[in-house]
Amino acid sequence: LAKTTQPISMDSYEGQEVNITCSHNNIATNDYITWYQQFPSQGPRFIIQGYKTKVTNEVASLFIPADRKSSTLSLPRVSLSDTAVYYCLVGPVTGGGNKLTFGTGTQLKVEL
Amino acid sequence: DTEVTQTPKHLVMGMTNKKSLKCEQHMGHRAMYWYKQKAKKPPELMFVYSYEKLSINESVPSRFSPECPNSSLLNLHLHALQPEDSALYLCASSQDPGLNYGYTFGSGTRLTVV
Repeated sequence: LAKTTQPISMDSYEGQEVNITCSHNNIATNDYITWYQQFPSQGPRFIIQGYKTKVTNEVASLFIPADRKSSTLSLPRVSLSDTAVYYCLVGPVTGGGNKLTFGTGTQLKVEL
Repeated sequence: DTEVTQTPKHLVMGMTNKKSLKCEQHMGHRAMYWYKQKAKKPPELMFVYSYEKLSINESVPSRFSPECPNSSLLNLHLHALQPEDSALYLCASSQDPGLNYGYTFGSGTRLTVV
């Protein structure tokens, strides 16, 4: 599985857009990029997944440049309830031995 | 039902006790997982069950014993634990063991070993 690097923490204010970047220089051709969100004392929750260019859902957008060596999770107009740890995972969607492996994650803190 | 339910939510046990954690899902998922998460650390994979059979054991000490009685249930039996085993234990499930997406996690059991 490709190793990922994310900022340890980020701070923001309500109403702002937050962009969290993940580096994955050794991403393989068949790897996808997946982001999970985890609140304290809860299990991680799937946010978004993509392979290239841009993916958008009702929660977030995921931007992936052509070389796929990094990706950016974009959270529009964050609120206090978006305070959580965000994990970037890179790996194949099939095979890979069923090992969903989490990196260190980014602690996002949103303030008023 | 789109949830993974874990019981109990909190558990305090002595080092000589035997206890069990329970996980249940009714989504028809055929892969189930146990993760361990220490404070301010990412979840770490412990066990994977595919079609009710243990497929991955990440070199977990034998004082942790998983069991999958049927396709909806996953247990983790605990015996002679150490204080350093105190953590949040997370159960997850996914639709197909061959697919590495669509994981649903439970809210976890907060275990304290005294």
